[in-house]
Amino acid sequence: GAVVSQHPSRVICKSGTSVKIECRSLDFQATTMFWYRQFPKQSLMLMATSNEGSKATYEQGVEKDKFLINHASLTLSTLTVTSAHPEDSSFYICSARKDTSELFQETQYFGPGTRLLVL
Amino acid sequence: SQQGEEDPQALSIQEGENATMNCSYKTSINNLQWYRQNSGRGLVHLILIRSNEREKHSGRLRVTLDTSKKSSSLLITASRAADTASYFCAGGYQKVTFGIGTKLQVIP
Repeated sequence: GAVVSQHPSRVICKSGTSVKIECRSLDFQATTMFWYRQFPKQSLMLMATSNEGSKATYEQGVEKDKFLINHASLTLSTLTVTSAHPEDSSFYICSARKDTSELFQETQYFGPGTRLLVL
Repeated sequence: SQQGEEDPQALSIQEGENATMNCSYKTSINNLQWYRQNSGRGLVHLILIRSNEREKHSGRLRVTLDTSKKSSSLLITASRAADTASYFCAGGYQKVTFGIGTKLQVIP
């Protein structure tokens, strides 16, 4: 099966520091990865689409300078929350879309999530 | 951006009963997927239905898709207490976005 890992699974940091979250597709290549954020008792909100070798595409209302995304290889995307504040505390989930030529079979595989708490 | 809405937003049933959740979506889709999420945990992929399919089964799960109405339904038969979780539909073409979810509680 297709496995996506995230690291770290949980992080606590002080306000004003930066936090980097890694998303890896372990057994498949993913030209495209996605970053989502989920606040308590809410759904997942798409933050940005990360494309290997090019700039990420951010959803409306998401600050690109605040949430830096790098997709340097076909198996790794990173999200850096810069100058984190308590309101950035959330559950961050990445997903990787498996490259396939099979029609309608494009599917995303989700990582286990990273819980960020900013004090 | 949100893909659509699940209906109902909360559902409480007795163990053994069937649970039906509906999802309406806004954008064009390649396929539609259903996920479950236990409180505070990651997502578990349940089933994928392609845009050219109308119905799909997997164990106790049955999913339907009506692209003309941009809607889908998830039926869980013979529910168990362990099915208690939040259920989300997700779909899209270039990017996948999620509905707001249905919180299912199965009472033993």
